[in-house]
Amino acid sequence: LAKTTQPISMDSYEGQEVNITCSHNNIATNDYITWYQQFPSQGPRFIIQGYKTKVTNEVASLFIPADRKSSTLSLPRVSLSDTAVYYCLVGDGQAGTALIFGKGTTLSVSS
Amino acid sequence: GAVVSQHPSRVICKSGTSVKIECRSLDFQATTMFWYRQFPKQSLMLMATSNEGSKATYEQGVEKDKFLINHASLTLSTLTVTSAHPEDSSFYICSARDRNGDYTDTQYFGPGTRLTVL
Repeated sequence: LAKTTQPISMDSYEGQEVNITCSHNNIATNDYITWYQQFPSQGPRFIIQGYKTKVTNEVASLFIPADRKSSTLSLPRVSLSDTAVYYCLVGDGQAGTALIFGKGTTLSVSS
Repeated sequence: GAVVSQHPSRVICKSGTSVKIECRSLDFQATTMFWYRQFPKQSLMLMATSNEGSKATYEQGVEKDKFLINHASLTLSTLTVTSAHPEDSSFYICSARDRNGDYTDTQYFGPGTRLTVL
């Protein structure tokens, strides 16, 4: 499974846009990129998933360049409740394959 | 997205007792479920892959006789921590994949179970 590298922590203020970049230099052709959010004492919550180019949903956007060696999670206008750990994971999406977690990025949003 | 539940949400037990944690996929069927463990301030660590109707596959370093996994149906997997000791105190999280309408599966996670062994 491809390893990922993310910043350990990021700080932001309410109302700002936050971009978290993840490096996955060894991503395989069949791999997808998935981002999760985790609050303390809760299970990870699915945010967004993509394979290439740009994906957008109601909470975030995911930008993936053509070489797919990195990806950027974009959170528009963050609020205090977005303070959490964000994980970038890469995997082939097959039913029997578990995602392997890295350290994640701790995002702290202040007022 | 798909919903995965866990029961109980937290359990406190005495050293030497066994504890069973249930993981259910509520609105989809899962032939494979996964069990993770998370210690404070750390990331999730994969413990084992639970396969419906067959034996679980354990990650290196995880004692299969201590962490018994049973995947009795397409919607239920159980993790039993046998003869629990204080070092087994942790946050246990299960997950399962569901097809998301695309040609890949998305892994959804349960809310977790906080185990405290006294």
